[in-house]
Amino acid sequence: DIQMTQSPSSLSASVGDRVTITCRASQGISNYLAWYQQKPGKVPKLLIYAASTLQSGVPSRFSGSGSGTDFTLTISSLQPEDVATYYCQKYNSALFTFGPGTKVDIK
Amino acid sequence: QLQLQESGPGLVKPSETLSLTCTVSGGSISSSSYYWGWIRQPPGKGLEWIGSIYYSGSTYYNPSLKSRVTISVDTSKNQFSLKLSSVTAADTAVYYCARSGEQHDAFDIWGQGTMVTVSS
Repeated sequence: DIQMTQSPSSLSASVGDRVTITCRASQGISNYLAWYQQKPGKVPKLLIYAASTLQSGVPSRFSGSGSGTDFTLTISSLQPEDVATYYCQKYNSALFTFGPGTKVDIK
Repeated sequence: QLQLQESGPGLVKPSETLSLTCTVSGGSISSSSYYWGWIRQPPGKGLEWIGSIYYSGSTYYNPSLKSRVTISVDTSKNQFSLKLSSVTAADTAVYYCARSGEQHDAFDIWGQGTMVTVSS
C-alpha cells in the first residue's frame, strides 16, 4: 500500500507570508495528487488536482507542484481566511489515500 | 447542480453494522466515468478514505477496512450505500459521501457529512 506523509504537521505564519506544505508518497504516483482545504467544522474542499491544476473558483494564491513522490502546496500570500487544515490525497489505481494533514494558522 | 446527502442512524451499538445512504440529486448516479466514495473523519482527526464504487459497479476499498466494508449502488433510487460491519468505538466519526470530478478522480463534490457514534 502506498502511504502518504505531510510536513509540517502544523505551522503558524503571518498574513502575507508565503507558505509551503510538502506531501510525499511512499511510491511514485505520477501526478495523481490532490490537495484539499478543510476549515474548522466545514466540509473538505478540493483546491488542486493532477498535482498542479487549480480547481475552478480557487484563488490564484494557491498553487501546486510535483510529480512522482514529492509534491508541494504553496500559498503565495497567506490570508486570514486560509486558516484551515490541508490534506493531500493520492488517487491513482482507484485507491484514494489521504495524508495526515497540515494545520495552518495565523501568527 | 449536483448535490449529495448522507442519511442513516446517528447511533450504532458495538458489534453491529453501520449503514449509511448517500442520495444524489441534480444528476444521475449512472453517469459515466465517476467514482462515488465514502470518507470518514473521527473527532479531531484526519480524513480516511473508506471505499469507492465506480459507475460501472466496480468497488475499491481501503485495505485496512476491506474485510468489514460493502459499498453498493441503487440506480433506481439514485443512491449509493455504505455498510460497515462489526463496529467499535473507533468507528465513531463524521461520514462523508463524495463524487469524483469529470476530468480527474479527486473528490470535487461532497455531502455535508453525518455524525455516527458507536456506543451501547
